Amino acid sequence: DADVTQTPRNRITKTGKRIMLECSQTKGHDRMYWYRQDPGLGLRLIYYSFDVKDINKGEISDGYSVSRQAQAKFSLSLESAIPNQTALYFCATSDPGLALGEQFFGPGTRLTVL
Amino acid sequence: GENVEQHPSTLSVQEGDSAVIKCTYSDSASNYFPWYKQELGKRPQLIIDIRSNVGEKKDQRIAVTLNKTAKHFSLHITETQPEDSAVYFCAATNTGFQKLVFGTGTRLLVSP
Repeated sequence: DADVTQTPRNRITKTGKRIMLECSQTKGHDRMYWYRQDPGLGLRLIYYSFDVKDINKGEISDGYSVSRQAQAKFSLSLESAIPNQTALYFCATSDPGLALGEQFFGPGTRLTVL
Repeated sequence: GENVEQHPSTLSVQEGDSAVIKCTYSDSASNYFPWYKQELGKRPQLIIDIRSNVGEKKDQRIAVTLNKTAKHFSLHITETQPEDSAVYFCAATNTGFQKLVFGTGTRLLVSP
């Protein structure tokens, strides 16, 4: 089945380290998103990309950067990780051809910054 | 931009009871309102959605209602079962953008 995958699934790192979270999808969707989930705060959009040449900031992009290497790959980087970036990170995809805009989520990456 | 508020943050019910989760949105241009369910340790998954040209939509035990004038929408779960226990997120967007704004989530606990 077509799916959205994320690597790594869990990561523990130290303050100041650079870290990359990767997302791949076999759904053939053009649109990809990165969210972070924190208890009590829901899902907040970090960055989104509507095609390979299109990158847009979400509501909480400070401290993050992204790269859309191909239609199927969208990576999130923390250039210098800090403890308040400890969270659960989700990648998602959607297809503009689908009228209602359903988003399909990956399994998540749990990141801990010490 | 859009802002979505969701209440309550936690909801405990007995098996067989009904559960209602409410959301309000701020942008009158929003026209698509999905609900996602996230089971413990799992990814969010769409369970039901509604467009602004419809006032109510039902799928078996779950239903969503929309009041465009008041800018609020609700998720109704009837005859709750323990497997309904999860975190539920509402969201809103204009389908022209496909950029969802999520509520803060409701943790539903259904006790046997």
